[in-house]
Amino acid sequence: DVKVTQSSRYLVKRTGEKVFLECVQDMDHENMFWYRQDPGLGLRLIYFSYDVKMKEKGDIPEGYSVSREKKERFSLILESASTNQTSMYLCASRDRENRVYEQYFGPGTRLTVT
Amino acid sequence: GENVEQHPSTLSVQEGDSAVIKCTYSDSASNYFPWYKQELGKRPQLIIDIRSNVGEKKDQRIAVTLNKTAKHFSLHITETQPEDSAVYFCAAGQGAQKLVFGQGTRLTINP
Repeated sequence: DVKVTQSSRYLVKRTGEKVFLECVQDMDHENMFWYRQDPGLGLRLIYFSYDVKMKEKGDIPEGYSVSREKKERFSLILESASTNQTSMYLCASRDRENRVYEQYFGPGTRLTVT
Repeated sequence: GENVEQHPSTLSVQEGDSAVIKCTYSDSASNYFPWYKQELGKRPQLIIDIRSNVGEKKDQRIAVTLNKTAKHFSLHITETQPEDSAVYFCAAGQGAQKLVFGQGTRLTINP
């Protein structure tokens, strides 16, 4: 059974702080994704990674960066948090092999920036 | 790039009735169309998907139809039950590439 975990369910940070969101998957998946979820806007892709040390910008990468030093871990970094980054952040992973396209999501981190 | 529009944003149906959620996409190269269900406070989970080489796929009370010419696809839920209440997201993409999600539909099943 695929398991995707995120470091925090709830996080409160101040404007200007550097914020790290961690995601870990235990199924040896090559692909990992970071989304933010806002009411009425659906899931929007921030960054994704096809493999270790690889990263690609998604649709809304501004204000974010990522790190993938190990296959199982994908980190999202807010260099200087702003109030408009208050949102639910969802991580997902996918097996690139066997033409399996399903993305498995983590439980989400609700980030509030004050 | 791909753009996915989803309608309606909210849908309320009586228990036992059918529910239909529709999505349109813009990129004719997209060939993979999944639907995710997100219950309150939980993570999105895949409930059904369809690839562009078929027009319809069924799984018990859930079906998805795809019209490649018109670039739209729909989720059909029959004999709705209270546990079908959730937010549903459609998405479109090219195989193993990234997905673009729709805005979501909040489905409420009234007893």
